[in-house]
Amino acid sequence: QKEVEQNSGPLSVPEGAIASLNCTYSDRGSQSFFWYRQYSGKSPELIMFIYSNGDKEDGRFTAQLNKASQYVSLLIRDSQPSDSATYLCAVNPNSSASKIIFGSGTRLSIRP
Amino acid sequence: DAGVIQSPRHEVTEMGQEVTLRCKPISGHDYLFWYRQTMMRGLELLIYFNNNVPIDDSGMPEDRFSAKMPNASFSTLKIQPSEPRDSAVYFCASRASGRLGEKLFFGSGTQLSVL
Repeated sequence: QKEVEQNSGPLSVPEGAIASLNCTYSDRGSQSFFWYRQYSGKSPELIMFIYSNGDKEDGRFTAQLNKASQYVSLLIRDSQPSDSATYLCAVNPNSSASKIIFGSGTRLSIRP
Repeated sequence: DAGVIQSPRHEVTEMGQEVTLRCKPISGHDYLFWYRQTMMRGLELLIYFNNNVPIDDSGMPEDRFSAKMPNASFSTLKIQPSEPRDSAVYFCASRASGRLGEKLFFGSGTQLSVL
């Protein structure tokens, strides 16, 4: 079992709709959870970070964490074509609070 | 700050040749990570350093790969001998220590093609 799993997509969402991206992780003791966005040919960049159960909102983005079920999700409201990218879920596993493990990413496409 | 600087941006080499990738982290960051990204395997952690000391190299695929960090401002990832399956984008990233959720800053990556 991979440490961090994501559906590779592509996920196609109409402009203005809500995009929902999901991620599961295997290490129950994981501490911190991240969402990075990567445009084609570019480097990943951090968009959200969460470490407590529940929701965390930042503008059009909401990260949701459920430690009991070991999943993290990212909601993007009012999706824009500029949101089209690959979204990478990342985790600090319990084995090492310094280590950051990434999922393979979900490719999101926003259709006008 | 110029951010994390990687060189070269592109490297094309022949199988069996030695390849050296270079990274300069952001000044003041005490963690440095090397990742490899392919379509098939995603973004894989190869090795990371804390205060120039390798902490976890369990992701290094085999003995052909080695990494060093001789000082706080420079790291190298070497592949010797290189093989076609090593073709990938190699990213270096750095971050500061301290709080939970410290952001990883990525370099622009090195696109490696081994023919």
